[in-house]
Amino acid sequence: DAKTTQPPSMDCAEGRAANLPCNHSTISGNEYVYWYRQIHSQGPQYIIHGLKNNETNEMASLIITEDRKSSTLILPHATLRDTAVYYCIVKISNFGNEKLTFGTGTRLTIIP
Amino acid sequence: DTEVTQTPKHLVMGMTNKKSLKCEQHMGHRAMYWYKQKAKKPPELMFVYSYEKLSINESVPSRFSPECPNSSLLNLHLHALQPEDSALYLCASRGVLRGTEAFFGQGTRLTVV
Repeated sequence: DAKTTQPPSMDCAEGRAANLPCNHSTISGNEYVYWYRQIHSQGPQYIIHGLKNNETNEMASLIITEDRKSSTLILPHATLRDTAVYYCIVKISNFGNEKLTFGTGTRLTIIP
Repeated sequence: DTEVTQTPKHLVMGMTNKKSLKCEQHMGHRAMYWYKQKAKKPPELMFVYSYEKLSINESVPSRFSPECPNSSLLNLHLHALQPEDSALYLCASRGVLRGTEAFFGQGTRLTVV
Protein backbone atom coordinates (compact mmCIF):
# COMPACT_ATOMS: atom_id res chain seq x y z
CA ASP A 1 0.00 0.00 0.00
CA ALA A 2 1.12 3.54 -0.74
CA LYS A 3 2.70 5.57 2.03
CA THR A 4 1.06 8.80 3.17
CA THR A 5 2.52 12.00 4.56
CA GLN A 6 0.49 14.32 6.79
CA PRO A 7 1.45 17.35 8.88
CA PRO A 8 1.76 16.30 12.53
CA SER A 9 -0.54 19.00 13.84
CA MET A 10 -2.88 21.80 12.77
CA ASP A 11 -5.08 24.37 14.47
CA CYS A 12 -8.35 25.72 13.15
CA ALA A 13 -10.74 28.33 14.55
CA GLU A 14 -14.19 27.13 15.50
CA GLY A 15 -16.71 27.76 12.73
CA ARG A 16 -14.08 27.94 10.01
CA ALA A 17 -13.31 25.28 7.43
CA ALA A 18 -10.57 22.87 8.40
CA ASN A 19 -8.46 21.72 5.47
CA LEU A 20 -6.29 18.70 6.17
CA PRO A 21 -3.74 17.77 3.48
CA CYS A 22 -2.37 14.34 2.68
CA ASN A 23 0.40 13.47 0.28
CA HIS A 24 0.33 10.03 -1.35
CA SER A 25 2.64 10.46 -4.30
CA THR A 26 3.19 6.70 -4.79
CA ILE A 27 -0.48 5.83 -4.99
CA SER A 28 -1.46 3.17 -7.52
CA GLY A 29 -4.41 3.34 -9.87
CA ASN A 30 -6.49 0.87 -7.88
CA GLU A 31 -5.82 2.31 -4.44
CA TYR A 32 -8.52 4.22 -2.58
CA VAL A 33 -7.96 7.17 -0.27
CA TYR A 34 -9.65 6.74 3.12
CA TRP A 35 -9.95 9.20 5.98
CA TYR A 36 -10.55 8.23 9.59
CA ARG A 37 -10.40 10.21 12.78
CA GLN A 38 -9.81 9.20 16.35
CA ILE A 39 -11.08 11.22 19.24
CA HIS A 40 -9.12 10.70 22.43
CA SER A 41 -9.22 7.07 23.63
CA GLN A 42 -12.07 6.12 21.28
CA GLY A 43 -12.05 3.79 18.29
CA PRO A 44 -11.26 5.31 14.88
CA GLN A 45 -14.28 6.72 13.10
CA TYR A 46 -14.71 6.46 9.35
CA ILE A 47 -15.14 9.85 7.65
CA ILE A 48 -15.01 9.48 3.88
CA HIS A 49 -13.19 7.76 1.04
CA GLY A 50 -12.68 8.11 -2.69
CA LEU A 51 -10.88 6.72 -5.71
CA LYS A 52 -10.66 9.46 -8.33
CA ASN A 53 -13.54 11.86 -8.00
CA ASN A 54 -14.19 14.36 -5.25
CA GLU A 55 -16.61 13.09 -2.65
CA THR A 56 -18.91 14.74 -0.13
CA ASN A 57 -21.00 13.37 2.70
CA GLU A 58 -22.66 14.77 5.78
CA MET A 59 -19.37 14.96 7.65
CA ALA A 60 -16.81 16.20 5.15
CA SER A 61 -15.60 16.67 1.61
CA LEU A 62 -12.66 14.90 0.01
CA ILE A 63 -10.78 16.62 -2.77
CA ILE A 64 -8.38 14.41 -4.75
CA THR A 65 -5.98 16.04 -7.19
CA GLU A 66 -6.19 15.03 -10.82
CA ASP A 67 -2.90 13.11 -10.65
CA ARG A 68 -4.14 11.50 -7.38
CA LYS A 69 -0.83 12.22 -5.66
CA SER A 70 -2.46 14.25 -2.91
CA SER A 71 -5.81 14.91 -1.31
CA THR A 72 -7.46 17.29 1.12
CA LEU A 73 -10.10 16.54 3.70
CA ILE A 74 -12.37 19.50 4.33
CA LEU A 75 -14.50 19.88 7.45
CA PRO A 76 -16.71 22.80 6.34
CA HIS A 77 -17.64 24.30 9.72
CA ALA A 78 -15.34 22.97 12.40
CA THR A 79 -16.66 22.53 15.93
CA LEU A 80 -14.85 21.74 19.16
CA ARG A 81 -15.99 18.13 18.79
CA ASP A 82 -13.87 17.85 15.64
CA THR A 83 -10.70 17.99 17.74
CA ALA A 84 -9.09 14.62 16.99
CA VAL A 85 -6.26 12.83 15.20
CA TYR A 86 -7.05 12.50 11.50
CA TYR A 87 -5.60 9.62 9.51
CA CYS A 88 -5.25 9.48 5.75
CA ILE A 89 -4.87 5.92 4.45
CA VAL A 90 -4.45 4.63 0.93
CA LYS A 91 -5.05 1.00 0.19
CA ILE A 92 -6.11 -1.43 -2.42
CA SER A 93 -9.64 -2.47 -1.75
CA ASN A 94 -8.87 -6.14 -2.23
CA PHE A 95 -11.12 -7.84 0.21
CA GLY A 96 -9.67 -10.47 2.44
CA ASN A 97 -5.96 -9.82 2.21
CA GLU A 98 -5.74 -6.16 2.87
CA LYS A 99 -3.96 -4.22 5.51
CA LEU A 100 -5.59 -1.04 6.72
CA THR A 101 -2.36 0.60 7.83
CA PHE A 102 -2.42 3.81 9.82
CA GLY A 103 0.26 6.47 9.46
CA THR A 104 1.07 9.01 12.14
CA GLY A 105 -1.87 11.27 11.27
CA THR A 106 -2.59 14.95 11.89
CA ARG A 107 -3.62 16.15 15.33
CA LEU A 108 -6.29 18.77 14.63
CA THR A 109 -7.14 21.19 17.42
CA ILE A 110 -10.20 23.40 17.07
CA ILE A 111 -9.69 26.70 18.84
CA PRO A 112 -12.75 28.39 20.42
CA ASP B 1 -26.83 -1.17 12.77
CA THR B 2 -23.26 -0.07 12.03
CA GLU B 3 -21.88 -1.00 15.40
CA VAL B 4 -18.89 -3.09 16.42
CA THR B 5 -19.17 -4.01 20.08
CA GLN B 6 -16.13 -4.85 22.16
CA THR B 7 -16.17 -6.29 25.66
CA PRO B 8 -14.95 -5.69 28.21
CA LYS B 9 -14.23 -1.97 27.99
CA HIS B 10 -11.49 -2.23 30.60
CA LEU B 11 -9.45 -5.22 31.74
CA VAL B 12 -6.72 -5.57 34.34
CA MET B 13 -4.89 -8.88 34.36
CA GLY B 14 -1.85 -10.40 35.96
CA MET B 15 1.00 -11.84 33.96
CA THR B 16 -0.06 -15.40 34.78
CA ASN B 17 -3.73 -14.90 33.97
CA LYS B 18 -5.69 -16.08 30.95
CA LYS B 19 -8.33 -13.73 29.64
CA SER B 20 -10.23 -13.12 26.41
CA LEU B 21 -11.36 -10.04 24.54
CA LYS B 22 -14.56 -10.23 22.56
CA CYS B 23 -15.70 -8.42 19.46
CA GLU B 24 -19.13 -8.71 17.85
CA GLN B 25 -20.77 -7.24 14.76
CA HIS B 26 -24.10 -7.90 13.07
CA MET B 27 -23.52 -6.11 9.79
CA GLY B 28 -22.79 -9.27 7.82
CA HIS B 29 -19.15 -8.25 7.46
CA ARG B 30 -16.85 -11.13 6.53
CA ALA B 31 -13.51 -9.45 7.32
CA MET B 32 -12.58 -8.73 10.91
CA TYR B 33 -9.44 -7.18 12.35
CA TRP B 34 -7.54 -6.84 15.61
CA TYR B 35 -5.38 -3.79 16.24
CA LYS B 36 -3.16 -2.77 19.14
CA GLN B 37 -2.68 0.89 20.02
CA LYS B 38 -0.15 2.26 22.47
CA ALA B 39 -0.54 5.74 23.91
CA LYS B 40 0.03 8.56 21.41
CA LYS B 41 0.73 6.08 18.60
CA PRO B 42 -1.40 5.03 15.61
CA PRO B 43 -3.20 1.66 15.69
CA GLU B 44 -1.03 -1.28 14.61
CA LEU B 45 -2.55 -4.19 12.76
CA MET B 46 -2.28 -7.57 14.50
CA PHE B 47 -4.59 -10.01 12.72
CA VAL B 48 -7.03 -10.14 9.82
CA TYR B 49 -9.76 -12.75 9.44
CA SER B 50 -11.45 -13.27 6.12
CA TYR B 51 -14.51 -15.52 5.93
CA GLU B 52 -13.66 -16.80 9.40
CA LYS B 53 -10.16 -17.84 8.38
CA LEU B 54 -6.96 -16.16 9.51
CA SER B 55 -5.53 -14.37 6.47
CA ILE B 56 -2.94 -12.06 8.02
CA ASN B 57 -0.84 -12.41 11.18
CA GLU B 58 1.56 -9.51 11.58
CA SER B 59 4.16 -11.61 13.42
CA VAL B 60 2.26 -11.28 16.67
CA PRO B 61 3.68 -13.21 19.68
CA SER B 62 1.91 -16.47 20.44
CA ARG B 63 0.71 -15.19 23.81
CA PHE B 64 -1.98 -13.50 21.68
CA SER B 65 -4.28 -16.10 20.12
CA PRO B 66 -7.12 -14.98 17.86
CA GLU B 67 -10.24 -16.96 17.16
CA CYS B 68 -13.18 -16.40 14.83
CA PRO B 69 -15.88 -18.92 15.81
CA ASN B 70 -18.49 -17.50 13.44
CA SER B 71 -19.03 -14.63 11.04
CA SER B 72 -20.24 -12.27 13.77
CA LEU B 73 -17.75 -12.93 16.52
CA LEU B 74 -14.02 -12.41 16.95
CA ASN B 75 -12.07 -13.26 20.08
CA LEU B 76 -8.55 -12.51 21.22
CA HIS B 77 -7.27 -14.94 23.84
CA LEU B 78 -4.55 -13.61 26.11
CA HIS B 79 -2.09 -15.68 28.11
CA ALA B 80 1.13 -14.89 29.95
CA LEU B 81 1.16 -11.27 28.87
CA GLN B 82 3.83 -8.77 29.78
CA PRO B 83 3.34 -5.26 31.18
CA GLU B 84 4.43 -3.84 27.81
CA ASP B 85 1.34 -5.48 26.27
CA SER B 86 -0.78 -2.93 28.09
CA ALA B 87 -2.60 -0.98 25.36
CA LEU B 88 -5.94 -0.23 23.74
CA TYR B 89 -7.05 -3.23 21.68
CA LEU B 90 -9.31 -2.36 18.79
CA CYS B 91 -11.53 -4.56 16.67
CA ALA B 92 -12.81 -3.63 13.22
CA SER B 93 -14.97 -5.23 10.55
CA ARG B 94 -15.53 -4.66 6.86
CA GLY B 95 -17.91 -5.82 4.14
CA VAL B 96 -17.05 -7.61 0.93
CA LEU B 97 -17.77 -4.94 -1.64
CA ARG B 98 -14.94 -3.01 -3.27
CA GLY B 99 -14.28 0.37 -1.73
CA THR B 100 -16.22 -0.21 1.47
CA GLU B 101 -15.07 1.20 4.75
CA ALA B 102 -14.11 -0.54 7.96
CA PHE B 103 -16.00 0.08 11.18
CA PHE B 104 -14.16 0.12 14.49
CA GLY B 105 -15.25 -0.74 17.99
CA GLN B 106 -14.47 1.49 20.97
CA GLY B 107 -11.71 -0.79 22.14
CA THR B 108 -10.70 -2.65 25.26
CA ARG B 109 -8.24 -0.86 27.52
CA LEU B 110 -5.93 -3.60 28.79
CA THR B 111 -3.57 -3.20 31.73
CA VAL B 112 -1.14 -6.00 32.55
CA VAL B 113 0.20 -5.92 36.10
